[in-house]
Amino acid sequence: KQEVTQIPAALSVPEGENLVLNCSFTDSAIYNLQWFRQDPGKGLTSLLLIQSSQREQTSGRLNASLDKSSGRSTLYIAASQPGDSATYLCAARGPNNTGGFKTIFGAGTRLFVKA
Amino acid sequence: GAVVSQHPSWVICKSGTSVKIECRSLDFQATTMFWYRQFPKQSLMLMATSNEGSKATYEQGVEKDKFLINHASLTLSTLTVTSAHPEDSSFYICSAPQEPETLLSTDTQYFGPGTRLTVL
Repeated sequence: KQEVTQIPAALSVPEGENLVLNCSFTDSAIYNLQWFRQDPGKGLTSLLLIQSSQREQTSGRLNASLDKSSGRSTLYIAASQPGDSATYLCAARGPNNTGGFKTIFGAGTRLFVKA
Repeated sequence: GAVVSQHPSWVICKSGTSVKIECRSLDFQATTMFWYRQFPKQSLMLMATSNEGSKATYEQGVEKDKFLINHASLTLSTLTVTSAHPEDSSFYICSAPQEPETLLSTDTQYFGPGTRLTVL
């Protein structure tokens, strides 16, 4: 059974700092791993999707890496801004037991960037 | 990018009533949709997989008679919370992959904005 863990649960940093959010998963048989952002009371915004055959993806100040063999992914945020304050979720997609697929989410990291 | 909508965005109801939540893919067809539940400050928990033209697949511990799912068309799935109780109060989110299931390695899941259910 896939389990996804995110560390730290919460993080507070001053504006401008570079930071790393960690995600680990127990079953390496994944199709892809996706990072999302969720603002309070809102839905999810997809940030980056890394396919199982890829090592990293970049978008602007965000860089996500994937190491399937060790069951880890990291989200790197460069030059953090107060607008980056949100909860960041990682989600691992893999096979279910009926021939389809399902996505398992981590509990998220709540990030607060101080101006 | 692809858009998934949900209706209503929030609902307040009395205990014992039933509430229907709609999930629509606006500019693509989705043979599969997923329903999640999120309690405050917790992550999303997969409730069930909605399959167009067949029965939904429920996760362990989710009561299929309480959470009725109907995938009426290639662009619409509904979740009905029957005889709702205060403990059913939660944030319900649906998602849909844009590509067919055969392209598992390339598709992105698109999420609806969520429906906040409050049962008094």
